[in-house]
Amino acid sequence: GQQLNQSPQSMFIQEGEDVSMNCTSSSIFNTWLWYKQDPGEGPVLLIALYKAGELTSNGRLTAQFGITRKDSFLNISASIPSDVGIYFCAGQLFAGANNLFFGTGTRLTVIP
Amino acid sequence: GAGVSQTPSNKVTEKGKYVELRCDPISGHTALYWYRQSLGQGPEFLIYFQGTGAADDSGLPNDRFFAVRPEGSVSTLKIQRTERGDSAVYLCASSLTGSGANVLTFGAGSRLTVL
Repeated sequence: GQQLNQSPQSMFIQEGEDVSMNCTSSSIFNTWLWYKQDPGEGPVLLIALYKAGELTSNGRLTAQFGITRKDSFLNISASIPSDVGIYFCAGQLFAGANNLFFGTGTRLTVIP
Repeated sequence: GAGVSQTPSNKVTEKGKYVELRCDPISGHTALYWYRQSLGQGPEFLIYFQGTGAADDSGLPNDRFFAVRPEGSVSTLKIQRTERGDSAVYLCASSLTGSGANVLTFGAGSRLTVL
């Protein structure tokens, strides 16, 4: 399957700090998505990106679809304790593809 | 229902046994997906149903894995002769149509442990 590399693997930050994480691939993707997973739960969609270069915000979250279509980043501003969790990038190879390829995740810990 | 419901939430079995995992999608969602998430990894696609038919089963790892959705709603993932490597969280997701894999709502998963 496709390999999506996420970095960093884990982060420890102080409440109020900004966070940046990214995802790269050797393949071109049609769609990039960012999910958050809490313990014992399924992933929840945060942001979907459909066009190269697109920059999309959802509250304190901002994500960008890289120009090369092989990468994406997610920023979280002014982190709060409930931001704790594992963040996954996911890619859809082409429009209408049935499956998503997920990265290995970035585990975020927010210290109050 | 309000969300995707998966049962059991936890299943412990012995190597070689047969296991069934159930998924109840959001009412009205025609598309249903199964993913498998191993410890420390992201979810990996297993199979996709559009209605009653398995439209894409390319992610099933081998013929010990099988899934059905006989009435186009509830789906059952069946694993025969379980192996220790099958231990993982099995996630089900559904979406309104087969309009793309990106608008998925995931369930909380069934954690399978094979001893």
